[in-house]
Amino acid sequence: ELKVEQNPLFLSMQEGKNYTIYCNYSTTSDRLYWYRQDPGKSLESLFVLLSNGAVKQEGRLMASLDTKARLSTLHITAAVHDLSATYFCAVAFYTGTASKLTFGTGTRLQVTL
Amino acid sequence: NAGVMQNPRHLVRRRGQEARLRCSPMKGHSHVYWYRQLPEEGLKFMVYLQKENIIDESGMPKERFSAEFPKEGPSILRIQQVVRGDSAAYFCASSRSGLAVSYEQYFGPGTRLTVT
Repeated sequence: ELKVEQNPLFLSMQEGKNYTIYCNYSTTSDRLYWYRQDPGKSLESLFVLLSNGAVKQEGRLMASLDTKARLSTLHITAAVHDLSATYFCAVAFYTGTASKLTFGTGTRLQVTL
Repeated sequence: NAGVMQNPRHLVRRRGQEARLRCSPMKGHSHVYWYRQLPEEGLKFMVYLQKENIIDESGMPKERFSAEFPKEGPSILRIQQVVRGDSAAYFCASSRSGLAVSYEQYFGPGTRLTVT
């Protein structure tokens, strides 16, 4: 069974600081997603990482993928309050009949002034 | 260019009642996935359907839960005799195809079910 672990589960950081969220997964996969979820809202797709060594950046967020280590990171640079949300990684796994997403437990990010 | 539609957005049911959640996929998408999110947790896969077929229901509880995706109309997730533990957000996602990992799933706004 595919397991996806994120850490930390909760992160409180000051504006202007940098931090990294980690996502480890247990089975080979070649597609990993990062999502943002605001309270009571749906998931917003942030990044799709397709191959080993992939790096994508959007604003203050940068995501990377190391398929050999089965590790993805979401790096936050100079955090601002607007980034406060819960961030999920999700690994796509094709079972032969379906492409299913397995989600991590989420990292709740709180950026304080 | 409507996205994935779900209704109702909020649903309150008393214990023992039935809950029906609807999902209309994006235009051009014929594959639907249902996920459940318990409070403070990530999303968990429940079921994957194509039109008139259940392809993978490995995440569905064995009793009280059923899903369908008829030839016409939305996909329906049905929960019979709801219990408090069914209180959760239920998300639907759709994709163009489910035959490989290469097709991204697009998520709807979710239905928040509260069982009193």
